[in-house]
Amino acid sequence: EAQVTQNPRYLITVTGKKLTVTCSQNMNHEYMSWYRQDPGLGLRQIYYSMNVEVTDKGDVPEGYKVSRKEKRNFPLILESPSPNQTSLYFCASSSRTSGWDEQFFGPGTRLTVL
Amino acid sequence: LAKTTQPISMDSYEGQEVNITCSHNNIATNDYITWYQQFPSQGPRFIIQGYKTKVTNEVASLFIPADRKSSTLSLPRVSLSDTAVYYCLARTGNQFYFGTGTSLTVIP
Repeated sequence: EAQVTQNPRYLITVTGKKLTVTCSQNMNHEYMSWYRQDPGLGLRQIYYSMNVEVTDKGDVPEGYKVSRKEKRNFPLILESPSPNQTSLYFCASSSRTSGWDEQFFGPGTRLTVL
Repeated sequence: LAKTTQPISMDSYEGQEVNITCSHNNIATNDYITWYQQFPSQGPRFIIQGYKTKVTNEVASLFIPADRKSSTLSLPRVSLSDTAVYYCLARTGNQFYFGTGTSLTVIP
């Protein structure tokens, strides 16, 4: 089944404790992206990657890092999480052949930073 | 950076047609206009995409005027299961802007 998976689905952590949220897709998509969703602010793009070893900042990259060492994986790293990073995070992917705009989203990761 | 503007919320009775309009003044001339649907606790799901005039699929229709500064998503005869948030998507280069979306509530 074609899908985007994220782990963990739920995470409660404390300020300053480094964490990684994994994202993996099995559709051989070139484009991958991370979004955060907050009440009243909609979906905002954090980082995106056009292909392996190519990453770029989105609208709200501060406090986040990403890497794209393999085509299928695009982990989101919070080196020193803070309470303002409490949010719902989505990973998405798309391909050139089906059009970059048709993104497939993962189920989301709900992060709470205390 | 291209941005979108949509109504924050809409209510509709079951069986009615619903039209949601999005303004996207800075969309590039060669970019598609894309709409997504999101149910609570799920990721957004692609609904429909178009470049100009009208596009229809099994779920919705998309109307795009000649100036492409706006688009209208039309949902025919909505049911309770269409209660969701609807986003129109803007793109600047390889960066995407979803905005705050329109929360549609379908009333029995």
